[in-house]
Amino acid sequence: DTGVSQNPRHKITKRGQNVTFRCDPISEHNRLYWYRQTLGQGPEFLTYFQNEAQLEKSRLLSDRFSAERPKGSFSTLEIQRTEQGDSAMYLCAGGQGRPEAFFGQGTRLTVV
Amino acid sequence: QKEVEQDPGPLSVPEGAIVSLNCTYSNSAFQYFMWYRQYSRKGPELLMYTYSSGNKEDGRFTAQVDKSSKYISLFIRDSQPSDSATYLCAMSGQAGTALIFGKGTTLSVSS
Repeated sequence: DTGVSQNPRHKITKRGQNVTFRCDPISEHNRLYWYRQTLGQGPEFLTYFQNEAQLEKSRLLSDRFSAERPKGSFSTLEIQRTEQGDSAMYLCAGGQGRPEAFFGQGTRLTVV
Repeated sequence: QKEVEQDPGPLSVPEGAIVSLNCTYSNSAFQYFMWYRQYSRKGPELLMYTYSSGNKEDGRFTAQVDKSSKYISLFIRDSQPSDSATYLCAMSGQAGTALIFGKGTTLSVSS
């Protein structure tokens, strides 16, 4: 158990709806990452926080995606106007000090 | 060319075999290397972390990094059916920056 908790575990939404996912890392994780993973692919980087500051965003990240990490604790990832191509596993990972990242169990999004 | 290349397999071996999993990369700035194991519909689990070139051993697992060839390997000795999973290599240039992942190699160990 990495201590990184993601909710919900599964989300089914209709195309065009907005969805929000939550990630709760352990308190020691000053770094927090969001990744997206589709079937048969490795995790694809979306964005990265150091404490509450969003330091890096993937160029692939559509402006429909936004992430926050208020007070450097939990984080939320919102997808607006969902499309079928957004269907994927959304993974959150935390880290501290060393480069390793510790992943949660993910939120599986299905857009119908 | 993708930054990290990994043969997706699938790779099937009998129980007890030695398994070799590999990744190549193109970015010479990478200096932190990790291997993750991922079971179906679960998040990736960190197996091994290596800094720069060299070997690291942990139980049945050995990670090797050859920066001159831009090539990393994970060896699994005495493979078990419970090792059946997807193995992902990941790497980064600086501590704390984004990890770049390979596609993953699917391993099946039969009893």
